[in-house]
Amino acid sequence: DTGVSQDPRHKITKRGQNVTFRCDPISEHNRLYWYRQTLGQGPEFLTYFQNEAQLEKSRLLSDRFSAERPKGSFSTLEIQRTEQGDSAMYLCASSLLVRGGTEAFFGQGTRLTVV
Amino acid sequence: DAKTTQPNSMESNEEEPVHLPCNHSTISGTDYIHWYRQLPSQGPEYVIHGLTSNVNNRMASLAIAEDRKSSTLILHRATLRDAAVYYCILSLSNTGNQFYFGTGTSLTVIP
Repeated sequence: DTGVSQDPRHKITKRGQNVTFRCDPISEHNRLYWYRQTLGQGPEFLTYFQNEAQLEKSRLLSDRFSAERPKGSFSTLEIQRTEQGDSAMYLCASSLLVRGGTEAFFGQGTRLTVV
Repeated sequence: DAKTTQPNSMESNEEEPVHLPCNHSTISGTDYIHWYRQLPSQGPEYVIHGLTSNVNNRMASLAIAEDRKSSTLILHRATLRDAAVYYCILSLSNTGNQFYFGTGTSLTVIP
């Protein structure tokens, strides 16, 4: 297991199309997070899962966004009816929940461009 | 969400120590202090985290003020590979890694 992997690395789509991204976390990690990052800004938290349960969603996550982690392993993030403002890097991270916190491991991200 | 304040940018000479400051005056008693860094075109990378006591690992040291309202990340000998954006983040221990990143400090290492 070499870390968190995300697919695809790059996606160009036309406005109004739906897109889906996949994240494969480190296998024993029970927590999985999605972040979005625009140019020059730090990552913004979108949502996270503990096992298959989605425990928190940021108010940044509009109704057009949906995330799943069906078996507590990989996760998908879908954006429906994409808008130009959705253009960003979408980052996935995973961690093992223990008292006191542990490090989160981030993937290299999926860069979305909406044209 | 507890906020942190960092300088926008800093410079360091290669092989010199670097002290990256962070203010978090609204920190609560259960907030952990995390540091991550992000190299260009990469996802963030964990550096170090702590609660009250100073912490050391192979990458860096974290010095936490006695009142916990500020902390300093110390890179003992900066290398060109350390050029990155460094984020100081607070999180509750029982809420895992839902981080609220700021804009961080962009560190330039001068050869």
